[in-house]
Amino acid sequence: DQQVKQNSPSLSVQEGRISILNCDYTNSMFDYFLWYKKYPAEGPTFLISISSIKDKNEDGRFTVFLNKSAKHLSLHIVPSQPGDSAVYFCAAGEETSGSRLTFGEGTQLTVNP
Amino acid sequence: DGGITQSPKYLFRKEGQNVTLSCEQNLNHDAMYWYRQDPGQGLRLIYYSQIVNDFQKGDIAEGYSVSREKKESFPLTVTSAQKNPTAFYLCASSFPSVFNEQFFGPGTRLTVL
Repeated sequence: DQQVKQNSPSLSVQEGRISILNCDYTNSMFDYFLWYKKYPAEGPTFLISISSIKDKNEDGRFTVFLNKSAKHLSLHIVPSQPGDSAVYFCAAGEETSGSRLTFGEGTQLTVNP
Repeated sequence: DGGITQSPKYLFRKEGQNVTLSCEQNLNHDAMYWYRQDPGQGLRLIYYSQIVNDFQKGDIAEGYSVSREKKESFPLTVTSAQKNPTAFYLCASSFPSVFNEQFFGPGTRLTVL
């Protein structure tokens, strides 16, 4: 039972354009969502998060949007840069379950110069 | 210089042998986690520990064992009962709340021959 799903295994965009990465979840108890970025043969690094009481959170070029009714979140990167090329994982957690997170399958983003 | 370390980076073992992967952190985090990454399957939680001397099974605990005798250390043993042990293993740590990001180590690539 995949509770967090990233339906696009890969995404390719041109440098300077917007990258939009999508994530869907099925567990309505999730109340915190995070995005991680991962380069090959390295551990993931935290990028941005959003609480279920918000619908948007912004940090520089990165913005995460949350649509609770649709159980959907998205990560927007504007403008995209070649260094953004990596695998992006979304993750979700619920406060009552402590600190464990459920991760999606990941989306490989390639930003072409 | 705080961080989380995993060693070795690459590990080879013969089929039927148990092998222990190390994970150490000096971030003073209470919670620690083990994930497995396989192509197209994202990060799947093997075991996690929210406090010393306590740990819980994740989604794919069969064939694995852990211990948490010290706050700084959370070793993972891959036993001969694990049917497909070849994978990239990631350790993470955090403060014990879903609102705190998890910090990941660099990972260990285990290959069973």
